Order: sequence, then C-alpha cells, then structure tokens
Amino acid sequence: RKEVEQDPGPFNVPEGATVAFNCTYSNSASQSFFWYRQDCRKEPKLLMSVYSSGNEDGRFTAQLNRASQYISLLIRDSKLSDSATYLCVVNMEGRRPSGSARQLTFGSGTQLTVLP
Amino acid sequence: GAGVSQSPSNKVTEKGKDVELRCDPISGHTALYWYRQRLGQGLEFLIYFQGNSAPDKSGLPSDRFSAERTGESVSTLTIQRTQQEDSAVYLCASSHSNQPQHFGDGTRLSIL
Repeated sequence: RKEVEQDPGPFNVPEGATVAFNCTYSNSASQSFFWYRQDCRKEPKLLMSVYSSGNEDGRFTAQLNRASQYISLLIRDSKLSDSATYLCVVNMEGRRPSGSARQLTFGSGTQLTVLP
Repeated sequence: GAGVSQSPSNKVTEKGKDVELRCDPISGHTALYWYRQRLGQGLEFLIYFQGNSAPDKSGLPSDRFSAERTGESVSTLTIQRTQQEDSAVYLCASSHSNQPQHFGDGTRLSIL
C-alpha cells in the first residue's frame, strides 16, 4: 500500500462548481499535512497547510480526519484558473522503520480541469 | 533571488552520456530533496539530505544515479550512462526540517 494515496482523476467540473478531493495516508504517526498545487509543466507550490481543526483560505477549505487517516480539500465556486494538479503531502515525525529520517511524502496528485 | 535555483533549466544529451544537475537551496534550509517527474506522472522521490546526517537514498532507481551535498549548501545529482527512460523533469526542493518544501523550477532532461 502506498504511504499517501490520491484519486488521480481527472475531475472535470464546470465553472462555479464545488469540488472535493480526498487523500489517505497509511502511517498513523503522520503529524502535519499540506496541499500543493502544480500547474502543467511547472513546479509544485504550497497551496495551504492542513490543521487539525480544519482551516479555510478564501474558496479553499482543508480538513483532517485522524481517525480515518485522510485529509480533504474543498474548492468552492471553482474558477478556470483552479485547473491544476493538487498534491497531498504528509509529514511523518520521527524515523521510518527503515531508519530513514525522511519525513515528507507526496501523493501522486489529483488532476482538476474547470470547464467554461 | 531567494528561491531554490536549479541548473541547467534544460539539458539534451545522447544516450550513454553522463549528466550532472545542480541545485542551490534556499539559504539556511537544512533539508533538501530530489524528485523525478516523468511527463504526466506524479513526483517520484529520489534522495533526501538533512544537515550532516546520512542521506536517504532509498528512491534512487539504479546505481547509475548518485547525489551529493556538502553541508547545507549546493547539491548535485549525477546520472551516469543515461538511458531514454531517464528523460524527465528533475525537481529539487528545500525546507527547514519538516516545514513545507519550496521547489526549484526543475531541470528538463531529454535523452536522445
């Protein structure tokens, strides 16, 4: 099982729609979570962090469910400019079973296309 | 600039040649990651450096791939005897320990 899993999509939605992505993680020791956005042929950029109580940034809402080990990203009133791939990132504190100190793991991304 | 800098931005080379990719992280960032991203694919972790600790090389796909970093400064990723399947964008990211990563623009590598 992958450490971080996302539905690859593509999600094709009309402008103004509300769309939600989920991301599941396998390691219960995971401590912090982020959503990144990657435009076509560009590098990933931080969209928002995900806090335990949930957090909102304009049209974007991120939530965390520790019991079920998933995070979500909700986009309201979607715009054409929201078309991108959304990457879920999970940070695991401490060392991995392999002994590695690597902490941040990226999901493979969910592709969103907002249609006019 | 204050961001992560990668060079070259594009590299075209013949199969069998060696290539060296460079990453200048943000000053003071202790963590540095290399990723590979093939066209239309997700990020593939290659290697992770954290300060002076032993790097996590678990993502390197073969012994043709190696990377070095001196302290908390520049890193180089070397691919020996390149193959066509090595064609991809190679992304470098740096961060303060477990804080969000900041990515460079990447090096687009094409193997003919």
